[in-house]
Amino acid sequence: AQTVTQSQPEMSVQEAETVTLSCTYDTSESDYYLFWYKQPPSRQMILVIRQEAYKQQNATENRFSVNFQKAAKSFSLKISDSQLGDAAMYFCAFPGISDKLIFGTGTRLQVFP
Amino acid sequence: NAGVTQTPKFQVLKTGQSMTLQCAQDMNHEYMSWYRQDPGMGLRLIHYSVGAGITDQGEVPNGYNVSRSTTEDFPLRLLSAAPSQTSVYFCASSFNPLSHPEQFFGPGTRLTVL
Repeated sequence: AQTVTQSQPEMSVQEAETVTLSCTYDTSESDYYLFWYKQPPSRQMILVIRQEAYKQQNATENRFSVNFQKAAKSFSLKISDSQLGDAAMYFCAFPGISDKLIFGTGTRLQVFP
Repeated sequence: NAGVTQTPKFQVLKTGQSMTLQCAQDMNHEYMSWYRQDPGMGLRLIHYSVGAGITDQGEVPNGYNVSRSTTEDFPLRLLSAAPSQTSVYFCASSFNPLSHPEQFFGPGTRLTVL
């Protein structure tokens, strides 16, 4: 079965510090994509970053980067220089069978001034 | 581009009532899907469509119907609402699930069934 696991229901970080959110997944596919989505209190789901499994280089988008370990099936999100606006739920996701997006249960990130 | 739009934003129904949640996208995306979001459970796929005239079931399809008569629109119908269908519903679309699988989401509809 294809699954996504986020083992940290809640995380907190101080403004300007760095935080890492964990995600592990299970798939028998060799070529796939992985995503991190952000859901602020407005409820809107926003794509933060995507990683293609065949690329060894970790994806980076401004202050957001991933640590992709294909063999370990791990896909963590690092947020550098955290800002108050980063406070949100973060979901890890990847397209499963028939390209249906499978989501983890989410990590709530709090940012303290 | 308006992106993915959903109406209504909020809805309260009584048990047994039916209604349709509307979803439209103006990005010419072939792939569209409906999710429900419940506390502690992430997003779960209800139904999806890979193109006009083609729909298929997701993880939790019972109690819901969909149709895809045009590329732009993908309405979700609740046939006979039940309290278990109280949830936040999201519509999403993507250009091509193979080459561009990232999905773009609408703002969501909060549904309460009494």
